[in-house]
Amino acid sequence: NAGVTQTPKFRVLKTGQSMTLLCAQDMNHEYMYWYRQDPGMGLRLIHYSVGEGTTAKGEVPDGYNVSRLKKQNFLLGLESAAPSQTSVYFCASRSTVRTEAFFGQGTRLTVV
Amino acid sequence: KQEVTQIPAALSVPEGENLVLNCSFTDSAIYNLQWFRQDPGKGLTSLLLIQSSQREQTSGRLNASLDKSSGRSTLYIAASQPGDSATYLCAGSYGGSQGNLIFGKGTKLSVKP
Repeated sequence: NAGVTQTPKFRVLKTGQSMTLLCAQDMNHEYMYWYRQDPGMGLRLIHYSVGEGTTAKGEVPDGYNVSRLKKQNFLLGLESAAPSQTSVYFCASRSTVRTEAFFGQGTRLTVV
Repeated sequence: KQEVTQIPAALSVPEGENLVLNCSFTDSAIYNLQWFRQDPGKGLTSLLLIQSSQREQTSGRLNASLDKSSGRSTLYIAASQPGDSATYLCAGSYGGSQGNLIFGKGTKLSVKP
């Protein structure tokens, strides 16, 4: 049982480049989330999804886009990377708001 | 505004000591509270989930409590070991359309041999 899997684990981008982070869960969860974790700032919600085909903005959505075409996958896109997007990105999923949340191992992104 | 606070930011104890980590939240309309462990450079591992209707949850040497009226949760670690060294995060879950987890900034625990 893989749980929540994030791809890639590490990436270095040049300013202005684009990339997509993939989150896949095999637990049939409805809710999926993308967070970023920065020193001193804690975990902040970027975007979230409450089911297949739905997405919504979180606390810090600027510069990111998401898609949830399949229930098991939640994609986070950076169209034009900026150094301020250097961070560790975590994906999470859970069945309902009352159940346990599970996190992926993270993607460490550096934008130079 | 829903906020979660963890104090202290860092804690160092000798091996074998029992310890308590604190978590406070501003909104008592909490659905549940979840404790996580994060090792350096790693993801978040779920330790315990306490529903709003519960007072305590136990797993091995860990015991978590929840007091909605005072807006507090504690994570008790018995007989600490060097392997318990990590950052511990608490997160409150609330209703609404997004069902977001509101995180504290964590307590970095160091258990000295």
